[in-house]
Amino acid sequence: EAQVTQNPRYLITVTGKKLTVTCSQNMNHEYMSWYRQDPGLGLRQIYYSMNVEVTDKGDVPEGYKVSRKEKRNFPLILESPSPNQTSLYFCASSFLPGGNHEQYFGPGTRLTVT
Amino acid sequence: AQSVSQHNHHVILSEAASLELGCNYSYGGTVNLFWYVQYPGQHLQLLLKYFSGDPLVKGIKGFEAEFIKSKFSFNLRKPSVQWSDTAEYFCAYNAGNNRKLIWGLGTSLAVNP
Repeated sequence: EAQVTQNPRYLITVTGKKLTVTCSQNMNHEYMSWYRQDPGLGLRQIYYSMNVEVTDKGDVPEGYKVSRKEKRNFPLILESPSPNQTSLYFCASSFLPGGNHEQYFGPGTRLTVT
Repeated sequence: AQSVSQHNHHVILSEAASLELGCNYSYGGTVNLFWYVQYPGQHLQLLLKYFSGDPLVKGIKGFEAEFIKSKFSFNLRKPSVQWSDTAEYFCAYNAGNNRKLIWGLGTSLAVNP
């Protein structure tokens, strides 16, 4: 089954404790992206990747890192989480960026930083 | 700056009522337009998209949307909603071959049985 998986689905952590949210897709997609979703602010892009070893900042990259060592995986790293990073995070992938290509979304990771 | 405006933030309907959710975008050239839906506790999934051809696009679950270039609009419609349509709906677009997808803030739809 074609899908985007994320782990963990729920995470409660404390300020400053490094964490990684994994994202994996099995559709051989070139393009992968991370979003955060907050009430009243919609979806905001954090980082995206056009291909292996190619990543770039989205609209709200501060406090986040990503890597793309393999085509299928695109982990999101919070080196020192803060309470303002409490949010719902979605990973997405598509065959190519832009154009009319549909983005496929993961199930989401709800992160709470205390 | 490119933007998407979804006029209705919260909509409450009774079952069998008709639905129209507004979406306006801010780019004057060629666009690709999308509606995504997020059911409670689930991930976003594509409802329908427009990139060329017939401006009336049909999607899953009886939804359709009409692209009106002169109005920069891509409104979502359904003639008769069901309780299971309760969800958040997002309009998005990208301009031509631009990589970046511009998202609206979403419309929360609640359908009362």
